[in-house]
Amino acid sequence: EVQLLESGGDLAQPGGSLRLSCAAFGFTFRTYAMSWVRQAPGKGLEWVSGISGSGGRTYYADSVKGRFTISRDNSKNALYLQMNSLRVEDTAVYYCAKDPTAEVAGLFDCWGQGTLVTVSS
Amino acid sequence: QSALTQPASVSGSPGQSITISCTGTSSDVGGYNYVSWYQQLPGKAPKLMIYEVTNRPSGVSHRFSGSKSGNTASLTISGLQAEDDADYYCSSYTSSRPVIFGGGTKLTVL
Repeated sequence: EVQLLESGGDLAQPGGSLRLSCAAFGFTFRTYAMSWVRQAPGKGLEWVSGISGSGGRTYYADSVKGRFTISRDNSKNALYLQMNSLRVEDTAVYYCAKDPTAEVAGLFDCWGQGTLVTVSS
Repeated sequence: QSALTQPASVSGSPGQSITISCTGTSSDVGGYNYVSWYQQLPGKAPKLMIYEVTNRPSGVSHRFSGSKSGNTASLTISGLQAEDDADYYCSSYTSSRPVIFGGGTKLTVL
């Protein structure tokens, strides 16, 4: 069974950092692109960042470019999101999502359960 | 680039059909056949219901169907059931970034 399990969400101060992780199970991880999608409390979905299956290509939303870094370790079947210079508006549930292709196409056929990031002083 | 435009809410009675629209531009919805629809039950992660405008993933009910005309895509749910009560989001590939989502539509089954 395909499964994604996020971790690392926490309370952080504005200007602080957090690192989110996503463990993947049940599929050949290196074959598929992955993304992070977030949802602020009571709001809609926002794509944050994506990475190709090989890790060679990365993409970012304008709202996080220069502050967040996506990476993956295909030997560990793991996806990461390093979040620096956090802002109050980064508060959201962060979902790890799998693309059914090797390149980031913005189509998500499997989602994790999400991890909550709260940025507040 | 702002989100794709969806109605904030729609409602219908059990057995009826409803349609949710998703309006974008020629740089996203109108320019590519890469529109998807997701269902999000309260407190749960989104679930893919429709991809590439009209295709249903394995396991998704035939009551869900998708279409597109110009810059507007639509999700139709026929034979409404209580379990369809959820939020629905459209998404599209875009010329400037991999994906953009709609603002979401709350479906209430009366």
